[in-house]
Amino acid sequence: EVQLVESGGGVVQPGGSLRLSCAASGFTFTNNWMHWVRQVPGQGLVWVSRIDQRGSGTAYADSVRGRFTISRDNAKSTLYLQMNSLRVEDTAIYYCATDVRVDDKPFFDPWGQGTLVTVSS
Amino acid sequence: EIVLTQSPGTLSLSPGDRATLSCRASQSVSTKDLAWYQQKPGQPPSLLIYGTSTRATGIPDRFSGGGSGTDFTLTISRLEPEDFAVYYCQQYSASHLTFGGGTKVEIK
Repeated sequence: EVQLVESGGGVVQPGGSLRLSCAASGFTFTNNWMHWVRQVPGQGLVWVSRIDQRGSGTAYADSVRGRFTISRDNAKSTLYLQMNSLRVEDTAIYYCATDVRVDDKPFFDPWGQGTLVTVSS
Repeated sequence: EIVLTQSPGTLSLSPGDRATLSCRASQSVSTKDLAWYQQKPGQPPSLLIYGTSTRATGIPDRFSGGGSGTDFTLTISRLEPEDFAVYYCQQYSASHLTFGGGTKVEIK
């Protein structure tokens, strides 16, 4: 069974840091680009970041560029998101998602269950 | 960046009804770039349709997608109880990936 399990969420003060992890199983992790998508509870989905299979190519949404860093450990089949200089507006559920490329277009399947990050003083 | 606008915000229907959801793009989008996801309460989204009209694995044929240019639709031919959920469209173009704001399909 394909599974993604996120961890590392919690409550942090503005300006603080957190590192999210996403443990993958049930598929060949090295075959897929991976993404982070976030969702404020009750609101819509926002793409955050992506990384290619080897970890050499990354991209970020403008809102997190320079503060967040995506990485992966293929030996551990684990995706990471290092989040620094956190802001109240970063509060959201963070999902990792597998990129199933079709015609070089990214679509997400499956998604993890998500981990909640709350930035509050 | 392409903005996706979904309408209506909420659709109130009964089981057995036909549901038609709209996703309008601020600029033309290739049909290869457009996908739909379903999200039930307390769960992550799941892929329904990609490339505008191709159903993902295991998705029943009551779900269909269509459209081109700036106007895309998701149609559920006959609503089943498990179809009441929120639906999002997503596009990828020029290295930018965006989602629509979602349409909630609720029981009338």
